[in-house]
Amino acid sequence: AQKITQTQPGMFVQEKEAVTLDCTYDTSDQSYGLFWYKQPSSGEMIFLIYQGSYDEQNATEGRYSLNFQKARKSANLVISASQLGDSAMYFCAMREDYTGTASKLTFGTGTRLQVTL
Amino acid sequence: DVKVTQSSRYLVKRTGEKVFLECVQDMDHENMFWYRQDPGLGLRLIYFSYDVKMKEKGDIPEGYSVSREKKERFSLILESASTNQTSMYLCASSFADTKSYEQYFGPGTRLTVT
Repeated sequence: AQKITQTQPGMFVQEKEAVTLDCTYDTSDQSYGLFWYKQPSSGEMIFLIYQGSYDEQNATEGRYSLNFQKARKSANLVISASQLGDSAMYFCAMREDYTGTASKLTFGTGTRLQVTL
Repeated sequence: DVKVTQSSRYLVKRTGEKVFLECVQDMDHENMFWYRQDPGLGLRLIYFSYDVKMKEKGDIPEGYSVSREKKERFSLILESASTNQTSMYLCASSFADTKSYEQYFGPGTRLTVT
């Protein structure tokens, strides 16, 4: 069974600093996808970034980058130049890759990030 | 813009009531999902559907059922609500093609069962 582990329940970072949110995963599949979602206090889940297991380069989207280390089974999210609006809950998730029925996501327990002045 | 809407943001129901949570998406997505979110537990998949009238159990289906009569609509049903079903419920949808990987989420329904 797939499992996602986020060991940091809460993190603090100062504005304009970079922060790394940890995510490790466990799967026996060769083909899978890793996601990060942001959930502000308003509740909606916002997709941030995606990494496929066969992608050779780390994914980047603006200030977000995913530090993918396949051998270590880790997929850490790096936020550069933190902003106050980055304060939110962040979830790491993994997708099983198979055809036939829907590809499900397995989520971690989340990390609450607080950006301070 | 992809839109996933849920019928209520907040809902208060009594123990034993039958509860319907509705989700509608406007992007012609094949797949639809229902999750519940609890503090410290993340999001857990209740049920999902990959086609009209098709459904599969997720990780925590007990006490829930679902209905998908039309492609755009996916309903979660609590047959007899209990206090341990007090939670945030999130609906999501996605294309069937795994290359189109993102799941789009609705705003959530915070359900309180008293």
